[in-house]
Amino acid sequence: QKEVEQDPGPLSVPEGAIVSLNCTYSNSAFQYFMWYRQYSRKGPELLMYTYSSGNKEDGRFTAQVDKSSKYISLFIRDSQPSDSATYLCATRDQGGKLIFGQGTELSVKP
Amino acid sequence: ETGVTQTPRHLVMGMTNKKSLKCEQHLGHNAMYWYKQSAKKPLELMFVYSLEERVENNSVPSRFSPECPNSSHLFLHLHTLQPEDSALYLCASSQAVREVGYTFGSGTRLTVV
Repeated sequence: QKEVEQDPGPLSVPEGAIVSLNCTYSNSAFQYFMWYRQYSRKGPELLMYTYSSGNKEDGRFTAQVDKSSKYISLFIRDSQPSDSATYLCATRDQGGKLIFGQGTELSVKP
Repeated sequence: ETGVTQTPRHLVMGMTNKKSLKCEQHLGHNAMYWYKQSAKKPLELMFVYSLEERVENNSVPSRFSPECPNSSHLFLHLHTLQPEDSALYLCASSQAVREVGYTFGSGTRLTVV
């Protein structure tokens, strides 16, 4: 079983839609959960991170962690064409190593 | 220049060539990393450096040889690569080893022919 699983997509939505991106992880000891965004021909950039369970909101973006089901989500409200990118979820193991999902390719159509 | 800069952006090399990838960070960070990104696969951590000392080598073949002459520069020396080594190689840095937030460069797209 992979430590972090993420549907690679691609996911295509119309502009203005609510986007839901999801990951599952295998180890209940993981505490930090991150979302990175990667534009084409660029490196990943940290979008937001959460510690333990709960929600974190930043503008149109909401990160959610459900530790009971080992589920990580990123919601994008009022999606824009500029949100088109690959979104990588990640967590950190007990040794501090970051473990990434495969990434979900998102396309927001005008 | 700011952030993490990687050169070259693209590299095509034969299996018998020797080449080097360069990474430079202008953030004053103490930790630097090399990652391999292949299509539809998770980022693979290759090497970790903290204050110029290698602290992790994730079972990477010896045809990849890292070098960290100072805390701002990181190199990845390549020799006798295989076609399956074709990938995007990403450099990242962070204030300390294994911090949550890494700053990535734009990567070097490597093609081995």
